[in-house]
Amino acid sequence: EAQVTQNPRYLITVTGKKLTVTCSQNMNHEYMSWYRQDPGLGLRQIYYSMNVEVTDKGDVPEGYKVSRKEKRNFPLILESPSPNQTSLYFCASSLLANQPQHFGDGTRLSIL
Amino acid sequence: QKEVEQDPGPLSVPEGAIVSLNCTYSNSAFQYFMWYRQYSRKGPELLMYTYSSGNKEDGRFTAQVDKSSKYISLFIRDSQPSDSATYLCVGGDDKIIFGKGTRLHILP
Repeated sequence: EAQVTQNPRYLITVTGKKLTVTCSQNMNHEYMSWYRQDPGLGLRQIYYSMNVEVTDKGDVPEGYKVSRKEKRNFPLILESPSPNQTSLYFCASSLLANQPQHFGDGTRLSIL
Repeated sequence: QKEVEQDPGPLSVPEGAIVSLNCTYSNSAFQYFMWYRQYSRKGPELLMYTYSSGNKEDGRFTAQVDKSSKYISLFIRDSQPSDSATYLCVGGDDKIIFGKGTRLHILP
């Protein structure tokens, strides 16, 4: 089954404690992306990757890091999380940047 | 001006009614248009995908694009309670841009 898998689905943590949200896709897609979704603000792109070892900033990259060492994986790293990063996060993938994206089921992060 | 705009709703309609969801966009270079449906606590899922202007029909759903007026529409016929969700419209050229979504409630 074609899917994008995110882990964890839920996480409550404290300010400053480094965390990583993993994302994996099994569709051999070149393009992967991270979004955060907040009430009234919609989906905002954090970082994206056009291919292995190629990443770039989206609209709200501050406080986040990503890496793309393998085609299937695109982890999101919060080096020093802060309460304003409390949000619902989605990973997505597609063949190309302008093609329909497949989304994971989301990761709800709460930073206390 | 935001690139893709849609009314956030909520839009409440009775079961069986025809639903009309609309978006406007500002970038005349957009060639790809999509509608996603997002249920509560789930990721968005692709509903419709169209290229350039015109209509596309899939079951109870019809997507319509009017590039001359930069207007995107989604029509849902014979609406069901299971259609209650947030609907996101998308426009794109070399990358895709999401609208913020319209919440739809179908009342049994």
